[in-house]
Amino acid sequence: AAGVIQSPRHLIKEKRETATLKCYPIPRHDTVYWYQQGPGQDPQFLISFYEKMQSDKGSIPDRFSAQQFSDYHSELNMSSLELGDSALYFCASSRGLLLNTGELFFGEGSRLTVL
Amino acid sequence: EDQVTQSPEALRLQEGESSSLNCSYTVSGLRGLFWYRQDPGKGPEFLFTLYSAGEEKEKERLKATLTKKESFLHITAPKPEDSATYLCAVQDSGGYQKVTFGTGTKLQVIP
Repeated sequence: AAGVIQSPRHLIKEKRETATLKCYPIPRHDTVYWYQQGPGQDPQFLISFYEKMQSDKGSIPDRFSAQQFSDYHSELNMSSLELGDSALYFCASSRGLLLNTGELFFGEGSRLTVL
Repeated sequence: EDQVTQSPEALRLQEGESSSLNCSYTVSGLRGLFWYRQDPGKGPEFLFTLYSAGEEKEKERLKATLTKKESFLHITAPKPEDSATYLCAVQDSGGYQKVTFGTGTKLQVIP
């Protein structure tokens, strides 16, 4: 079965550079979520989209922006990168605005390293 | 603000030694409490959703229960392949989709 696809899987950037992460949800899933997970930490909710509109916002820095496109894929843009941005970035998808089953389908993650 | 606290942080069990993981939560209104399993370097994998106090869900050697303030994940006769980090998460009924995770319990099952 098709899963959530994230790219790139690994990314190395210098401080103050810009990075873009992409997420392709499971077919027919219209809702996308972005999470940031530091080493040994819990996933922190950044932002979510439903039907191409931002639906909820968490601890996303102002330096980050995201959007969901007409084909439901999403991109997380990160500018002025800082060392503390080094983390695993997970994308998850679900179908519908309300989580009827609570099941988020997570991708394998994109590991960002800022040097 | 929603809070999720899990204990213990780490748990080491012998194969076949049953135990329970705890998840305490604070939300203004609970839409759902979720359990996920996460292997190193992988995305969390969904296990259960619980919606109301008294509810129980089972899957193989795992059983999740819910009260008004906490949830337990009971592991019966664990096997080495059950070794993983188990994450508890909640969704507040006041929000749309934000799911708040706890820091997890890292379980190691020794043969």
